Formats: sequence, C-alpha cells, structure tokens
Amino acid sequence: QLQLQESGPGLVKPSETLSLTCAVSGGSISSRSSYWGWIRQSPGKGLEWIGNIHYDGSTYYSPSLKSRVTISVDTSKNQFSLRLSSVTAADTAIYFCARRLLERFGEYYYAFDIWGQGTMAIVSS
Amino acid sequence: QSVLTQPPSASGTPGQRVTISCSGSNSNIGSNPVSWYQQLPGTAPKLLVYRNDQRPSGVPDRFSGSQSGASATLAISGLQSEDEADYYCAVWDDNFNGHVVFGGGTKLAVL
Repeated sequence: QLQLQESGPGLVKPSETLSLTCAVSGGSISSRSSYWGWIRQSPGKGLEWIGNIHYDGSTYYSPSLKSRVTISVDTSKNQFSLRLSSVTAADTAIYFCARRLLERFGEYYYAFDIWGQGTMAIVSS
Repeated sequence: QSVLTQPPSASGTPGQRVTISCSGSNSNIGSNPVSWYQQLPGTAPKLLVYRNDQRPSGVPDRFSGSQSGASATLAISGLQSEDEADYYCAVWDDNFNGHVVFGGGTKLAVL
C-alpha cells in the first residue's frame, strides 16, 4: 500500500525559503506512470496546485508560483521535495504531497489518487 | 479566482440527488479528463472520480461523474449525512506549458 508522508519545519520567517519533503513508502518513486505533486490549502480556502515532478526530473509548475518554486526528486531516498522562496504570510497553508497517476494496467487515470496527510506551514516572524 | 468555476455551496436532504457543476474552457475540461475529490473536515482530499466518469475501487456507485464540452458534473444520489464535505474538480490545462487547475470547491450540506 503506497503511502506519502510530508515533513518539514512548521514555522518559517517572512522572506525565507520554505522547504518540505515527501517520503514515499510501500512503492517506488521511480515509476514511469506517475508524477509526484505538491498541493496547498490556505486556511479556510480551496486547493491550489503548486507543481509536479517525474522521477526523471521533468517538472511542471503553477504559472503563478513558478518564479519561487523548485521541486526536486531523490530516487535513492524515495522522496521528493518542495522549496518555496521569498515566503510571505500568504504562503501560510497546509501543504499536501500526492501521487498523480497517469496510467495503471493500461487504464488512464490523470488524477491524484494517493495523498499525504498534509503538513501545516506558518509564515511568521 | 479559479480557472474552473464551481458553486460555492450546495445542499440536499438525506436520500436526495444533488449535482455539483464545474465549468472550464476548451484548454482544460474541453481537452483533458476531469477528476473529482472529496475533502472531509480536517482530512486530506480523497479521489472520487477520475477520467470524467470512472470511480476508483471502494468509492460507492452513488457518486458519478460526467463531462460535456467544457463542463463537468459530479452527481451524488441517495445523499447521506457522511457526504457532507467539500468537493473539488481538477483538470490539466494546456496553457502556460501545461499545469493542473482546481475548482474553487463546493461545500455540500446535508440538511
């Protein structure tokens, strides 16, 4: 059973860089049919996609966050990471990591089928 | 303001059928498959529907999805109290080299 677990500091100072990691267990991150994504949810708000990465390193980012976001993958540790620079209070949110499954057994999915429980990141001095 | 438009709220009584709409454009729903997610309070979202109308194993057949043109719909029949949650649509958008977009979410109340 594939599971995802986010980790990282819960408190970040304004203008600094938020760094989070998502550990993948119960399966390999090196799957051709999966992308790995970050999604966030500000308090009381909806879901906002941040970006996806494939194990081969190819990435897609939200146009509105692209200038501040870097997503990387470490296949040796079976994990992927998010870095969000120059944070402000508007970046305070629950950050979820999720698997975006493209295909399984010949069936196309194109959906986030497995999610981590989420980790709260607060931007405050 | 999201690229995908959902009604902010919906409601129904137990046993009723409710629908939640998700309106987009040719670059997203009109070209790519839609997925739907249920988010219960304080929990991570859960996949309800993928590729417009397919349910993952374990999702009751009370939940169904459809897509027509640049719009998609989630229908919940036989409404139950435990269906009270937030519902989100999501889809790939071909603009800006490609990216995922979520709807603004619909809060469903079971009266």
